[in-house]
Amino acid sequence: KQEVTQIPAALSVPEGENLVLNCSFTDSAIYNLQWFRQDPGKGLTSLLLIQSSQREQTSGRLNASLDKSSGRSTLYIAASQPGDSATYLCAANSGNTPLVFGKGTRLSVIA
Amino acid sequence: KAGVTQTPRYLIKTRGQQVTLSCSPISGHRSVSWYQQTPGQGLQFLFEYFSETQRNKGNFPGRFSGRQFSNSRSEMNVSTLELGDSALYLCASSLQGAESIWDKNIQYFGAGTRLSVL
Repeated sequence: KQEVTQIPAALSVPEGENLVLNCSFTDSAIYNLQWFRQDPGKGLTSLLLIQSSQREQTSGRLNASLDKSSGRSTLYIAASQPGDSATYLCAANSGNTPLVFGKGTRLSVIA
Repeated sequence: KAGVTQTPRYLIKTRGQQVTLSCSPISGHRSVSWYQQTPGQGLQFLFEYFSETQRNKGNFPGRFSGRQFSNSRSEMNVSTLELGDSALYLCASSLQGAESIWDKNIQYFGAGTRLSVL
């Protein structure tokens, strides 16, 4: 059974810092891993999706990497801004099974 | 292109009542999934529908049910509401092939319906 863990649960950084959010999963036989952003009381916005055959994906200031052998993914945010404050969730799917989510990392970027 | 639309956005019900939530997927998307989000349990999968058929079901009691219509719109129903059903209910749609339903497809989420059970 796939389990996804995100550490830390919360993170506070000053504006302009580069930061890394971590995601680990127990079943390395994943099809893809997806990173989402959730603002308070809102739905989820898909940020990046990494297919199992890929090592990383980039979108603007965001870079996500995937290491299936170690069961880890990281989301790198460059030059953080107060608007990046949100909860970041990673989710993995393995075969014909639904997305399994971590509990998220709540990020606060202080101006 | 319109996104995933969930209605209503907020609901207040009392214990024992039943509730129906609606989800309209992105045009052309045939798969609709439902998730429950609570502070304690995080996001948990409820069920997934594709072409009016339930293809996956999470570990929730039979009080939780759903259906999908021919236009891909989906509803979920919760009967005999309990206090613990208070949550944000999220719907997601995606382009799905007939095989390998989760492979390589991005799920797009709606804003959710916040249900409060008093």
